[in-house]
Amino acid sequence: SQKIEQNSEALNIQEGKTATLTCNYTNYSPAYLQWYRQDPGRGPVFLLLIRENEKEKRKERLKVTFDTTLKQSLFHITASQPADSATYLCAPYNQGGKLIFGQGTELSVKP
Amino acid sequence: EAQVTQNPRYLITVTGKKLTVTCSQNMNHEYMSWYRQDPGLGLRQIYYSMNVEVTDKGDVPEGYKVSRKEKRNFPLILESPSPNQTSLYFCASSLKREANYGYTFGSGTRLTVV
Repeated sequence: SQKIEQNSEALNIQEGKTATLTCNYTNYSPAYLQWYRQDPGRGPVFLLLIRENEKEKRKERLKVTFDTTLKQSLFHITASQPADSATYLCAPYNQGGKLIFGQGTELSVKP
Repeated sequence: EAQVTQNPRYLITVTGKKLTVTCSQNMNHEYMSWYRQDPGLGLRQIYYSMNVEVTDKGDVPEGYKVSRKEKRNFPLILESPSPNQTSLYFCASSLKREANYGYTFGSGTRLTVV
């Protein structure tokens, strides 16, 4: 069955450092992959989308890579700030026309 | 402001008492969807709608109903709620279902069934 794996353990980093979050998927080949941010008790907020023919996408301090051979996407936040603390969800899109959400990785940025 | 509005934000109800959670979007989006989020299980799709009068089951549709009579509204109906439907619910919308459009989520409805 299709499976998405994100780091289950929380990621704790110091302010100013680069945070790197991992999303691995198995048993399918998504044409697109989206990343969302979710704060506690709130709805996810769309951040970035990357297509299978794009290796990398950037938006301000955010960078996403998509390696279809490794079946992996990496999400980077450079110059991290305490306000970046949240849970980040990856959501690959399968050929069935469905967005499947990972369980998310909690990021905590300490001042 | 472009948004998805869900109501109520919090709801406590008793087993078997029918309830409706409303969802409305003001972006003229074709695609709308309901999710539930539970610890350790992530976001799971309940139902979705590609457009007016077009709805289909997601991964966990049992015990839920939806309707899409107007483009902007997509209510979630629990005809006979049970404790296992206690969860955090999100409505989402997108211009179209295709994944090159990001989804806009509502603020969520925390439902407790006792």
